[in-house]
Amino acid sequence: DAKTTQPPSMDCAEGRAANLPCNHSTISGNEYVYWYRQIHSQGPQYIIHGLKNNETNEMASLIITEDRKSSTLILPHATLRDTAVYYCIVRPVNSGNTPLVFGKGTRLSVIA
Amino acid sequence: DAGVTQSPTHLIKTRGQQVTLRCSPKSGHDTVSWYQQALGQGPQFIFQYYEEEERQRGNFPDRFSGHQFPNYSSELNVNALLLGDSALYLCASSLGTDDTQYFGPGTRLTVL
Repeated sequence: DAKTTQPPSMDCAEGRAANLPCNHSTISGNEYVYWYRQIHSQGPQYIIHGLKNNETNEMASLIITEDRKSSTLILPHATLRDTAVYYCIVRPVNSGNTPLVFGKGTRLSVIA
Repeated sequence: DAGVTQSPTHLIKTRGQQVTLRCSPKSGHDTVSWYQQALGQGPQFIFQYYEEEERQRGNFPDRFSGHQFPNYSSELNVNALLLGDSALYLCASSLGTDDTQYFGPGTRLTVL
């Protein structure tokens, strides 16, 4: 079972920031938080991951709370092409053969 | 830099038949994982190959088998197809078993 909880759906106006929350209250100290997204009928796309510190790349920012029990993925200026299902996944740092465990994710709809 | 590629993109089979799906990993990657995604669900882990051996397996029957070649490419074979095997089959590659996984576009299998 997935170790994360996400809202099933969210809407965001085009050009505004999209803030997608994820709860991972049972996360351990040696587990990453990963984010992927899946645009309709395509393969999941890696977005970003982090352990303790906030992270930023060309796609998004990841804000992890100090207690690490929740995080927020921020798309700073959402476009229609950001409409997708967003998955938050917890994965061990030394994952070895541990597979990714996907939950149901959050369906983000960006509205013009 | 070529990403993960999969073939074919779509496939239609009838019950009882056998199917082979193919995956070429991202350049420089040596580990391949396979996932099945039923309609409306998140991807489910099938198995992972590293150094030409199956390293981890999810909760899938023996009808699902695989292979990894010396060039790191991989095949997924499904025997005695059932209607319930209809799904999007995803391949993900990584450098080693700990690294971030990058997904291909998937193969859509329809069993009639």
